[in-house]
Amino acid sequence: GENVEQHPSTLSVQEGDSAVIKCTYSDSASNYFPWYKQELGKRPQLIIDIRSNVGEKKDQRIAVTLNKTAKHFSLHITETQPEDSAVYFCAASKGGGSYIPTFGRGTSLIVHP
Amino acid sequence: NAGVTQTPKFQVLKTGQSMTLQCAQDMNHEYMSWYRQDPGMGLRLIHYSVGAGITDQGEVPNGYNVSRSTTEDFPLRLLSAAPSQTSVYFCASSTTGNTIYFGEGSWLTVV
Repeated sequence: GENVEQHPSTLSVQEGDSAVIKCTYSDSASNYFPWYKQELGKRPQLIIDIRSNVGEKKDQRIAVTLNKTAKHFSLHITETQPEDSAVYFCAASKGGGSYIPTFGRGTSLIVHP
Repeated sequence: NAGVTQTPKFQVLKTGQSMTLQCAQDMNHEYMSWYRQDPGMGLRLIHYSVGAGITDQGEVPNGYNVSRSTTEDFPLRLLSAAPSQTSVYFCASSTTGNTIYFGEGSWLTVV
């Protein structure tokens, strides 16, 4: 089955800096790569996603890049703010009748004011 | 606009007791799943369903049962609770190739 590795497990940055979280996946058939943000005590919520026919996607301060050849994708957060502090999960899945994603282990992002 | 509803939010069980975590969604999603979240382990899939009457095992199914008699409901049963099942449980639903919606979570402690 699919295996998703996520790094780093913890990331500490100063407010205003950029943050990058990287994930690799093993199954070349995976074609959907969402990112979830989980604030303390809350449920994970989708913040951005990318499909395999796209190399990059942006939404304000957040961007995701995908390298299908190398089987890795990354989350980029620019101009970080304290409210960006949370655990971020990447995931990978295939379409069709087996749309159950495999999640990475998560990255705890801490943004210091 | 309920989305995915989980109950109970908090539960303390004694070792050996059984219980059911309830999950319901009102979005007519075909896919439903249960995850457990433990520190440093991310979200691990317990069981999932691709439609009413169809269930399958995920990564960590031992000690848990599920059923999917309707599109809306996907309960998770703990057969004989063990301290290793102390965790936060999330129910989720989705449609093919689209966003997963999570419930608010159920905090379970087994003593």
